Amino acid sequence: EDKVVQSPLSLVVHEGDTVTLNCSYEVTNFRSLLWYKQEKKAPTFLFMLTSSGIEKKSGRLSSILDKKELFSILNITATQTGDSAVYLCAVVTTGSTLGRLYFGRGTQLTVWP
Amino acid sequence: DAGITQSPRHKVTETGTPVTLRCHQTENHRYMYWYRQDPGHGLRLIHYSYGVKDTDKGEVSDGYSVSRSKTEDFLLTLESATSSQTSVYFCAISESTTYEQYFGPGTRLTVT
Repeated sequence: EDKVVQSPLSLVVHEGDTVTLNCSYEVTNFRSLLWYKQEKKAPTFLFMLTSSGIEKKSGRLSSILDKKELFSILNITATQTGDSAVYLCAVVTTGSTLGRLYFGRGTQLTVWP
Repeated sequence: DAGITQSPRHKVTETGTPVTLRCHQTENHRYMYWYRQDPGHGLRLIHYSYGVKDTDKGEVSDGYSVSRSKTEDFLLTLESATSSQTSVYFCAISESTTYEQYFGPGTRLTVT
């Protein structure tokens, strides 16, 4: 069964819109949650979240983690066509596989001009 | 960008042939990982390494083996390729288990 669930699976918006991508997880021995952006090539790192309630921000992107409710959100404000990509959420555990990432299936974001 | 290269970038091979994919890093990171990415499954861990000659299995390791004789190189071998191993393969590196992983450009493998 999926340990990391992302929603929605796909999203189509127009430039300038604000979007919220969701990631919920169910793992034991949670260590951290990571967000990646993938544009038809290798995933590129966006954020790592380890503590609840502390927002990470980079330009128009921000993310926050809720360890009590076991989810994270990724917000993108004033979207641009260059934001079109698959956004991946991954969880790291402290289990036997050192630093292993459990990935969700991703959210396909399409931004129309 | 992290110094990670993968070779070859594209390969077409026939069922039953052996295939070796190479991941090379210039970051001197201890941890290296091989993932495969398939539609509907996302990224799944095949094998990983936590040091030279130290490797272990991931969740989809059947049919794959790995070797790491130098810090900078991590090889993934398909002993006898099958069509189910058609996929995009990504290598990733990490300085430690608490740090983020950085991904290589990927290898698109097609087994006919």
